[in-house]
Amino acid sequence: DAKTTQPPSMDCAEGRAANLPCNHSTISGNEYVYWYRQIHSQGPQYIIHGLKNNETNEMASLIITEDRKSSTLILPHATLRDTAVYYCIVRVTDSWGKFQFGAGTQVVVTP
Amino acid sequence: DGGITQSPKYLFRKEGQNVTLSCEQNLNHDAMYWYRQDPGQGLRLIYYSQIVNDFQKGDIAEGYSVSREKKESFPLTVTSAQKNPTAFYLCASIRRNTEAFFGQGTRLTVV
Repeated sequence: DAKTTQPPSMDCAEGRAANLPCNHSTISGNEYVYWYRQIHSQGPQYIIHGLKNNETNEMASLIITEDRKSSTLILPHATLRDTAVYYCIVRVTDSWGKFQFGAGTQVVVTP
Repeated sequence: DGGITQSPKYLFRKEGQNVTLSCEQNLNHDAMYWYRQDPGQGLRLIYYSQIVNDFQKGDIAEGYSVSREKKESFPLTVTSAQKNPTAFYLCASIRRNTEAFFGQGTRLTVV
């Protein structure tokens, strides 16, 4: 599975959009981009995933660049409950393999 | 309700003792994973299993052992050979073409 690079931390004001970047320059053609978040002392929670098209669900939007070497997770209206560590992972969906996490981005939403 | 259950939530171990952490899922998922998380750090892969009676070492397998006798269960034993076992342990399961589901974790402390 390809490695990912994320900023270690970022702050966001409540009610504003939070844009979380992820670099995955060695991604392969059959690897998907997944995003998870982990609220303190809980198990990680799935947010969204995509291959090459932009995706949106009730939690967030995922924007993947045309060359697929980077992506951005967008939380459209951040709330205090969005304070968490956000992980970007790339993996081949039609298999299992190691499924490894990086260090993630600590997002702090402030009032 | 389908889900993945880890028990116990908190576990205390005396030095030199082996302890076993339970992970059970009723999601009919094929692959299961164990991760270790230290304070302020990301998730590190210990072991994973893609099918019953088969498992592979992750990045930090030394001092740990697993078994996969049933599809639903993937217990992790922390042996006395693990010199620094105090950590937060997370179990996950994945079915082909779906996202991973995580348990709520077991916090192990050596006393």
